[in-house]
Amino acid sequence: KQEVTQIPAALSVPEGENLVLNCSFTDSAIYNLQWFRQDPGKGLTSLLLIQSSQREQTSGRLNASLDKSSGRSTLYIAASQPGDSATYLCAVKSSNDYKLSFGAGTTVTVRA
Amino acid sequence: EAGVVQSPRYKIIEKKQPVAFWCNPISGHNTLYWYLQNLGQGPELLIRYENEEAVDDSQLPKDRFSAERLKGVDSTLKIQPAELGDSAVYLCASSPGLLAGETYEQYFGPGTRLTVT
Repeated sequence: KQEVTQIPAALSVPEGENLVLNCSFTDSAIYNLQWFRQDPGKGLTSLLLIQSSQREQTSGRLNASLDKSSGRSTLYIAASQPGDSATYLCAVKSSNDYKLSFGAGTTVTVRA
Repeated sequence: EAGVVQSPRYKIIEKKQPVAFWCNPISGHNTLYWYLQNLGQGPELLIRYENEEAVDDSQLPKDRFSAERLKGVDSTLKIQPAELGDSAVYLCASSPGLLAGETYEQYFGPGTRLTVT
């Protein structure tokens, strides 16, 4: 069974600082990896999707890397803003059964 | 383009009562998912549909949970009877389907927050 771990569970930084969120997974047989953002009381918004053959994806201030062999992905958010405060979830799609396995998330607070 | 629609957004019921959640996926999306999310945790899959067929319901507690997706479009998830431990957020998601070359990216609705008292 795929196990997805996100460290740290919570993070508080001053505005302008770069954010580094970590995700690790136990089974490297993945189809893709997706990073989501979840605001309190809301659903999940997809931020970036990395196919298993890719090493990274970028969108604006967001950059996600994938090292499938070591079972790791990192989400970088440059020049953080208070509006970036949310919970960030990592999800891995298995290449065996296409199930999406989620981490518990990292809750980010950006202080103005 | 409209996203995944869920209703109701919030529901409070007493234990042992029935409850139903409704989901309308993005138009043209053949695959529909129901997830359960407990506080402080990531979502966990309950059931996955390909069109009207439930292809993965291994995590659905079938003694009290049921789901249907008539006509392969919108879907209903039901709990009867509800227990205190069912208090959680129920998320619906959809994706274009098992077509060669597609990314299987899932799009989520806002969820239904259920409180069982």
